Amino acid sequence: QVQLVESGGGVVQPGGSLRLSCAASGFSFSIYGMHWVRQAPGKGLEWVAFIRYDGTNEYYADSVKGRLTISRDNSKSTLHMQMNSLRVEDTAVYYCAKDLWGYGSGTAQDYWGQGTLVTVSS
Amino acid sequence: EVTMTQSPATLSVSPGERATLSCRASQSVRSNLAWYQQKPGQAPRLLIYGGSSRATGIPARFSGSGSGTEFTLTISSLQSEDFGVYYCQQYNNWPGTFGQGTKLEIK
Repeated sequence: QVQLVESGGGVVQPGGSLRLSCAASGFSFSIYGMHWVRQAPGKGLEWVAFIRYDGTNEYYADSVKGRLTISRDNSKSTLHMQMNSLRVEDTAVYYCAKDLWGYGSGTAQDYWGQGTLVTVSS
Repeated sequence: EVTMTQSPATLSVSPGERATLSCRASQSVRSNLAWYQQKPGQAPRLLIYGGSSRATGIPARFSGSGSGTEFTLTISSLQSEDFGVYYCQQYNNWPGTFGQGTKLEIK
């Protein structure tokens, strides 16, 4: 069965950095695009970033462009998010999610991890 | 950026009754629209994609309709386990924006 397990969350000061990871299993990771979606405490969902199955294209929300970088290692079935210049408003649960279609350019997200909490606070 | 607007913000429905949730896009997203259900403390679950296709394992009481800018999620006969927050998301244009959510309460 599909499993997505996020790790790397924690408490960081404003301006600091953090690297999230998402370990994938139960499907052919290398043929699916992957997303990061976040949810601030008590708020709704915000799509953050997408990377194509082969890593050739990335897309970002305007709110994170230039500060967060999505990447993947298909040899290890792992998705990453490098988070730099973090702001208080980046505080959220970060979910990794699998794209619905293989070889696609970004569609709905059909499987989600349980999320990892990032808290940006001084 | 495409803005997604959901209504109502909160909906209270009795078990066995029909629930109708709406989602409007600020510009056409064709049929590139998904619906998700989220329960407290859980990750979202995909219900509908392509505007009207049910995801794997989703009961037939959930149905989606619409295209362009107007979309509807209908739960034909509400069950007690259907409570939660429902989000629509467009994936026609980057970024893939979500609506603000509709909280469905069981009356």
